[in-house]
Amino acid sequence: AQSVTQLGSHVSVSEGALVLLRCNYSSSVPPYLFWYVQYPNQGLQLLLKYTSAATLVKGINGFEAEFKKSETSFHLTKPSAHMSDAAEYFCAVFGATNKLIFGTGTLLAVQP
Amino acid sequence: DAGVTQSPTHLIKTRGQQVTLRCSPKSGHDTVSWYQQALGQGPQFIFQYYEEEERQRGNFPDRFSGHQFPNYSSELNVNALLLGDSALYLCASSHFSGVKNIQYFGAGTRLSVL
Repeated sequence: AQSVTQLGSHVSVSEGALVLLRCNYSSSVPPYLFWYVQYPNQGLQLLLKYTSAATLVKGINGFEAEFKKSETSFHLTKPSAHMSDAAEYFCAVFGATNKLIFGTGTLLAVQP
Repeated sequence: DAGVTQSPTHLIKTRGQQVTLRCSPKSGHDTVSWYQQALGQGPQFIFQYYEEEERQRGNFPDRFSGHQFPNYSSELNVNALLLGDSALYLCASSHFSGVKNIQYFGAGTRLSVL
C-alpha cells in the first residue's frame, strides 16, 4: 500500500529564508508524487508533480522538489520565502488505483 | 475556462439530517473524485465516479453515496449525519485514461453538523 509521511506539522521561517518541507513516501510501485498548497478557506492548488521523468521537478511560485528513490523522499524547497507563501502544504501519492493519498500537511508560517 | 466549482460553499445541518453537495468538473474532464478533509487533517478519499458509475471507494460507510450525471457533474449525499461528518468536502476532477492524471480541486463545501 502507498502512503506519505510529512515531517513537521508546523514550520516557521523568516521572509527571505530557505523553505524546506519534508515528505517521505512508501510505495510498492514506482510512485507518482504531488505537492499541493491550500490557502485559508480555499481548496487545493497543485504546486508540482513527479511522474518518473526528471527527478528535480520545478513548480509554480518558485517551488521545486527532488525525487530521491534511495531515501524515499520528495522534499519541497524554495530558496527565498515570501509572506504570500504562508499556507498549508500537502504531499500526496497516487495509490494503486487512481486516487490520491495525502499526508497530514505542514503549516508554513513566514515571519517578517 | 471555469475550473472545478462546488456548491454550496457552507452548510449547517443537525444530526440525523441528510445533505447533498454538488460539483461541476473542469471543462473537458470526465472523472470526479470526492474527498473529506477534517480539521487539521489531510484529505481522505471517499469515492470516484466515471461514466456515471462509482469506480472506487475509500473507507467510508454506506451513509455516503454519490451520483454522476451525463454532463459529468456529480453529487455527494450523506445520510443520517453525525457530528463527526463536520468537515471540508473537496471535489476533484480529472481525465480517466488509465494513467495517473492530475486532479484539480474545487474550493470545497464546509459542512458543519450541530
